Amino acid sequence: KAGVTQTPRYLIKTRGQQVTLSCSPISGHRSVSWYQQTPGQGLQFLFEYFSETQRNKGNFPGRFSGRQFSNSRSEMNVSTLELGDSALYLCASSPISTGTGLGEAFFGQGTRLTVV
Amino acid sequence: DAKTTQPNSMESNEEEPVHLPCNHSTISGTDYIHWYRQLPSQGPEYVIHGLTSNVNNRMASLAIAEDRKSSTLILHRATLRDAAVYYCIPRTGNQFYFGTGTSLTVIP
Repeated sequence: KAGVTQTPRYLIKTRGQQVTLSCSPISGHRSVSWYQQTPGQGLQFLFEYFSETQRNKGNFPGRFSGRQFSNSRSEMNVSTLELGDSALYLCASSPISTGTGLGEAFFGQGTRLTVV
Repeated sequence: DAKTTQPNSMESNEEEPVHLPCNHSTISGTDYIHWYRQLPSQGPEYVIHGLTSNVNNRMASLAIAEDRKSSTLILHRATLRDAAVYYCIPRTGNQFYFGTGTSLTVIP
């Protein structure tokens, strides 16, 4: 069974640009949640999507947005990038929704975003 | 506003049991306690979760205090592969907090 796939694995962007990250969940999983991991703030919840609907959102500015498609694949977009957005962005999939996408969730290896 | 308190780091000898504690005094009565771990250069990995009574699975055991304000993850025989950062994550309403976790070092 294929795991959670995140693309790209590494990305370098310039301040002010926007970026789109992709996450393909495990087949049959309908919940996809996104997290940001930085050395200073640790792992922080961004949002969760279930059946194409955002179920819960963390405390991030509106520059961070996401969506989920009918095949459960999800994208996360960050507009007007800032240096502080440099982080590892992780996606997790789960067969059910708990509002936060946890329970037994399966994480991808993440996308390392560097903003210069 | 930290929701959990875990030791920053712990050490264990290989093949010995490890008890990883977590305090979550603000947890509400219906919130599950999750434990995840993150190996170097990988995404977090589910370990176990529970509500009130103790839980066991092939990876670990979870002991939950009667008042639910603390829990302990028990690895019965630590292996080198268990070296990771362990996160205790109580779900409090619609928010949760990963915290800084406990970095476990396993000594051969």
